[in-house]
Amino acid sequence: GAGVSQSPRYKVTKRGQDVALRCDPISGHVSLYWYRQALGQGPEFLTYFNYEAQQDKSGLPNDRFSAERPEGSISTLTIQRTEQRDSAMYRCASSSLFEGFGETQYFGPGTRLLVL
Amino acid sequence: AQSVTQLGSHVSVSEGALVLLRCNYSSSVPPYLFWYVQYPNQGLQLLLKYTSAATLVKGINGFEAEFKKSETSFHLTKPSAHMSDAAEYFCAVGSTGTASKLTFGTGTRLQVTL
Repeated sequence: GAGVSQSPRYKVTKRGQDVALRCDPISGHVSLYWYRQALGQGPEFLTYFNYEAQQDKSGLPNDRFSAERPEGSISTLTIQRTEQRDSAMYRCASSSLFEGFGETQYFGPGTRLLVL
Repeated sequence: AQSVTQLGSHVSVSEGALVLLRCNYSSSVPPYLFWYVQYPNQGLQLLLKYTSAATLVKGINGFEAEFKKSETSFHLTKPSAHMSDAAEYFCAVGSTGTASKLTFGTGTRLQVTL
């Protein structure tokens, strides 16, 4: 596609519900990243994939958060038993390994999650 | 561990005035440094990046930044502000190697007044 797309753009859910956030990277991009951005803060790294392999999940806050990218393209970030503190903007980015060191990450528009 | 400090959460300049947004980084290895801009209701867009080539980096929309190792700084400048520059700006540092996660600063909101 032309850019990174994310869905839904807005999600309102009740505390305790599970949510799944989707990211569709730029076609051909090998690397895919998830970040979380609280209001008034910069994005914080959650996890990233090269192809379908999850390379680093050190930023996932707890075991309620998980991510997958089964076919090396679309990725889903799942939050189980949501809590109010999970409310934030969730951003996805993708990059091409072929760009070399310091590759550019291209960001999607984000999913705004509100947990009531 | 890497970190970024952006001094000034809000900066206001007059249209036509110099824009200076400050960024200092901390990194135990040679860093890759980025400036991203975020317009309302849009995703982050890359303005420019430093990857150990030229220390003065030119980006889009007339912005540039200079990498100063001795000062651990990567300040963003633009000679003449335009109303359309009003946005939030984020400085970020990347780890060495490909496919690296970014560590962002807390952002600086730029306001441009007539």
